[in-house]
Order: sequence, then C-alpha cells, then structure tokens
Amino acid sequence: QITLKESGPTLVKPMETLTLTCNFSGFSLATGGVGVGWIRQSPGKALEWLALIYWDNDKRYSPSLKSRLTITKDTSKNQVVLTMTYMEPVDTGTYYCVRDSLASNWYYNWFDPWGQGTLVTVS
Amino acid sequence: EIELTQSPATLSLSPGETATLSCRASQSVGGYLAWYQQKPGQAPRLVIYDASKRATGVPPRFGGSGSGTDFTLTISYLEPEDFAVYYCQQRYDWPPITFGQGTRLEIK
Repeated sequence: QITLKESGPTLVKPMETLTLTCNFSGFSLATGGVGVGWIRQSPGKALEWLALIYWDNDKRYSPSLKSRLTITKDTSKNQVVLTMTYMEPVDTGTYYCVRDSLASNWYYNWFDPWGQGTLVTVS
Repeated sequence: EIELTQSPATLSLSPGETATLSCRASQSVGGYLAWYQQKPGQAPRLVIYDASKRATGVPPRFGGSGSGTDFTLTISYLEPEDFAVYYCQQRYDWPPITFGQGTRLEIK
C-alpha cells in the first residue's frame, strides 16, 4: 500500500520560510521514472501544481513560483522536503504531497496517490 | 501555459442519472489528460488518466473520452458517493502542469 503524509507548521508569519516534509511508504524514489511532488489548494479554490523531484534528482518547478521554491529528497529516508520563501497570506491553503508515476515515460506521469494534505495559514 | 476550462461549473443530478462533464484545453494536449475526484475534506483521487484509462479501483461507470482540446468525463448510473468536485489536469506541455477550475457535481 502506497501512502504519503505531509508535515510542517500550521501557522507561519508573512515573509517567513515554509518548510514542509513528505514522508512516504510503499514505493522508492530510487525507482526509475518515479517522482514526488507538491500541489496546493487555496480555500475553496482549484489546485495549483508547485514542484516535482525525480529518482535521478531532476527537479521541476512552477514557473510563477520558481524563485521561491526548493525541493529536495532523501531517498534512504523516503522523504521529500519543500521549502517556500517569503510566505504571504495568499499562500494560505492545503498543501498536498503526491507520487508521480504510472507512465512509461516520466514526462507523462500522473499524480497517484495523494497525501491527506496539511493546512498552512499565513498570518 | 495551457489553460483548461471546465463546464458546467455546477451540475445538479439525481442518483441513477448520467453525468457528463467537459474539459476544454486552450491548445492540444494530445491524450495527456486526467480527471480527479475530490470529496469535501478529502484529498483528490485519480479517476481517469491518459484521457480514457480508469485508475485502480475506479468502477466501470466512470468513463473518459476525447483527445486534442475537448475531453469528457461520463459517470453513468450516479451513486451517492459520486457527488464531488471533479478536476481535469493536463500533462502534455509543462511546466506548468495545469488544472481546470473544477466542476461540482451535486445531488438534485
């Protein structure tokens, strides 16, 4: 069974840096073609993709947030960490960790499954 | 950036009816489109990927179709647990990976 679980602060102040951790089980980031990513959802709003990291340490970021995001992995710990700098109230929302897999070519992977999400409030 | 437009915003139907949800892309995404289901207070769940393939555990009443710019999610014989928000997502040309704004499927 594949599970992912997000952890981190529930409240951050404006201008602070947010650090979120995703701990996962049931798969390995050492497996070719597999990635782990982050997606967020503002209250009552749609989904916004943030970042992805792959088995070979390739990293991809949302162009609109690239300057503020850093994604890293610790394969031995089954852990992925996302940092977002200069947090603002508009960054308030639920942050989801996802496995990126299912395709023979990683570029066309899909998000499955998702973690339960962690609510982050910026105030 | 590829924009995805979903319609309708809200769809009100009764259990047993058939739901037809639409997703239109601002440019071709080939067949690289997925649908996710999100129930209140829960994380999204992959329902359909590669436009028409059902994810593991998804019942056959869920069907996806389309290619290029126009896609449809069809849910036949609606069950009470199917009422949720559905999002489409493209994976053809990224970054960024983009989602539609969602269609709320509510009980009439």
